[in-house]
Amino acid sequence: DQQVKQNSPSLSVQEGRISILNCDYTNSMFDYFLWYKKYPAEGPTFLISISSIKDKNEDGRFTVFLNKSAKHLSLHIVPSQPGDSAVYFCAASGQGGGATNKLIFGTGTLLAVQP
Amino acid sequence: EPEVTQTPSHQVTQMGQEVILRCVPISNHLYFYWYRQILGQKVEFLVSFYNNEISEKSEIFDDQFSVERPDGSNFTLKIRSTKLEDSAMYFCASSGSGSSAGELFFGEGSRLTVL
Repeated sequence: DQQVKQNSPSLSVQEGRISILNCDYTNSMFDYFLWYKKYPAEGPTFLISISSIKDKNEDGRFTVFLNKSAKHLSLHIVPSQPGDSAVYFCAASGQGGGATNKLIFGTGTLLAVQP
Repeated sequence: EPEVTQTPSHQVTQMGQEVILRCVPISNHLYFYWYRQILGQKVEFLVSFYNNEISEKSEIFDDQFSVERPDGSNFTLKIRSTKLEDSAMYFCASSGSGSSAGELFFGEGSRLTVL
């Protein structure tokens, strides 16, 4: 039951260019979405989130776009840096993303930023 | 910066043995979680815990699993009788309240290997 899907297992981008990571979801009850970054042998690190009442949220080099009608969100990283190389997980929750609401994670996309 | 800490980082056990994984959440957080990631698969929700009781659990979290917050700082996951398929990386997470409630902070994980 893949409610959150990341169809690209990997992505390779040149340093300085834009990285676009995509995520699709099926459950229309999801209304809070997050992106996490994970390095090997470490836990996921929160990057950025967006509520379903918005279609864009920006934080420095990271921007998340939400298209509710398409049940699609994307993470843009610009400019990409070699230190951004990691696995990126999309996650979703319902009921406004409040505490105790479980996060449903996608399978992750491995981003490699080439110097 | 406050962080979630987990011990042990790696535990090897025989099938049928009991295992306790320990976590120290961020001190002013109120909501606690366990997730796991089987090698090559996505991060899966196990259980959430608030106000000294389980608030939600997944179907993975069967009678072999239990959680406890014994002393106001530690948060433990016990697996009563381990099975081979319990081999995974187990992540503890915590979150605060209010607008940041949905943003989980993860520990570095405890790798469990069941032989």
